[in-house]
Amino acid sequence: GAVVSQHPSWVICKSGTSVKIECRSLDFQATTMFWYRQFPKQSLMLMATSNEGSKATYEQGVEKDKFLINHASLTLSTLTVTSAHPEDSSFYICSASSGTALQETQYFGPGTRLLVL
Amino acid sequence: QKEVEQDPGPLSVPEGAIVSLNCTYSNSAFQYFMWYRQYSRKGPELLMYTYSSGNKEDGRFTAQVDKSSKYISLFIRDSQPSDSATYLCAMSGSQDTNAGKSTFGDGTTLTVKP
Repeated sequence: GAVVSQHPSWVICKSGTSVKIECRSLDFQATTMFWYRQFPKQSLMLMATSNEGSKATYEQGVEKDKFLINHASLTLSTLTVTSAHPEDSSFYICSASSGTALQETQYFGPGTRLLVL
Repeated sequence: QKEVEQDPGPLSVPEGAIVSLNCTYSNSAFQYFMWYRQYSRKGPELLMYTYSSGNKEDGRFTAQVDKSSKYISLFIRDSQPSDSATYLCAMSGSQDTNAGKSTFGDGTTLTVKP
C-alpha cells in the first residue's frame, strides 16, 4: 500500500515554456502533499506544502508565482513550473501523507527529472 | 545549526558487514522518526518508522531512538550490495501544523562492495 506516482518521469523543455508535473496517491487519500526539489548529491529541499482544497504554503525563497501548486482532490496535486529556465533543471519529488495512524510519515513518488534547455 | 544533523559519509563497507547510520537533532518536540532509502535517480522509500524512544526491528534493519540524547540510529546487518543507496533520516512532531511534514537530514551514501 501507500503508493504515490508521478508523471511524467522525465521532461525536456525549451527555456520559457511551462511544465506541469502530476502527483497522485494511488491507494490512499492524501490530505497533505509536499513538493521537493533535489539537486545532484544534495538532500531534499522542501518547496511547498499543499492541503486539499486550500492554497499551498511555500517555503522561504520559493517563488509561488513561478511554482504553481494545485491540490484539487485528495489524490492529485500538480506542480507547474512557469517560464522555466535552465536553472530550474532539477529532480522534483512529491510526497503524500494520509493523516491517519501513520500521520507523521510521508510516502514519496518516484520523482520527475526536468531538463530545461 | 541545523535541526537535524546526519553523519555525512560516504560510507563504504564489504558485503556482510554491519552498518551503522546516525543522526542527531536539536528539537525536543520531535516524536516521529523515520529512515528513508533513496536509490540513485529515484524517490525516497520509507524503510523504518518509529514513534518516541526505543528499538524497532524489521528483517536486517534495526532502528533505535534515544530521545534523552536526541540521537537516532539505523543498523543494517549482513549488508548486501543491493543496500547501496543514500539513507535519509527524517523526523517530525506534533508542533507541525501539517501532518507528515518532516525535517530531513542531508543523507549518508552507503556503498556495499561484493
